[in-house]
Amino acid sequence: QQPVQSPQAVILREGEDAVINCSSSKALYSVHWYRQKHGEAPVFLMILLKGGEQKGHDKISASFNEKKQQSSLYLTASQLSYSGTYFCGTEIDYGQNFVFGPGTRLSVLP
Amino acid sequence: NAGVTQTPKFQVLKTGQSMTLQCAQDMNHEYMSWYRQDPGMGLRLIHYSVGAGITDQGEVPNGYNVSRSTTEDFPLRLLSAAPSQTSVYFCASSYGANTEAFFGQGTRLTVV
Repeated sequence: QQPVQSPQAVILREGEDAVINCSSSKALYSVHWYRQKHGEAPVFLMILLKGGEQKGHDKISASFNEKKQQSSLYLTASQLSYSGTYFCGTEIDYGQNFVFGPGTRLSVLP
Repeated sequence: NAGVTQTPKFQVLKTGQSMTLQCAQDMNHEYMSWYRQDPGMGLRLIHYSVGAGITDQGEVPNGYNVSRSTTEDFPLRLLSAAPSQTSVYFCASSYGANTEAFFGQGTRLTVV
């Protein structure tokens, strides 16, 4: 079952922060995050595993709350290059039933 | 390294025609997948493979066939194209489950 992402779209000014949420109705084993720029292929950001730690990558980090079956992606001091559509992908078990969410469109303006 | 290579980049088919979308990777990855991307739907898994000779269905397999005779190649066959198969198709590969997936540049398919 496809995870739910919120918000559907967000517009920011350069330097502002954003949070993108991903939630599932099923218990999750892992959450994957990808970013896709218009007309390009999705690019990997990070994977969070059940029982694992919060991950970080430059000014982009993510958390995984297993009890709530939710993950959040945090974008700090956003840059123009952060614009794109962010997808979460979820697994209910190792290598099982991997499903992407519908995406969150992020636009960063100067 | 070329990574994941998809051909063709663009294709127009008539309803009822068949064709094969090609996908090749040079990273010796075991996992390969095909997705279709439609506006507002995200990426939906069509078929996937966990190694040569092993394939399985994803969320939306109807109308598509796959085979995996080598580690490098994972072609997607449209048996009888329908307008509902108009979409952007992405191939992806990864070392294993829960590892970074690398995507090809996509094939934009239009069925008229």
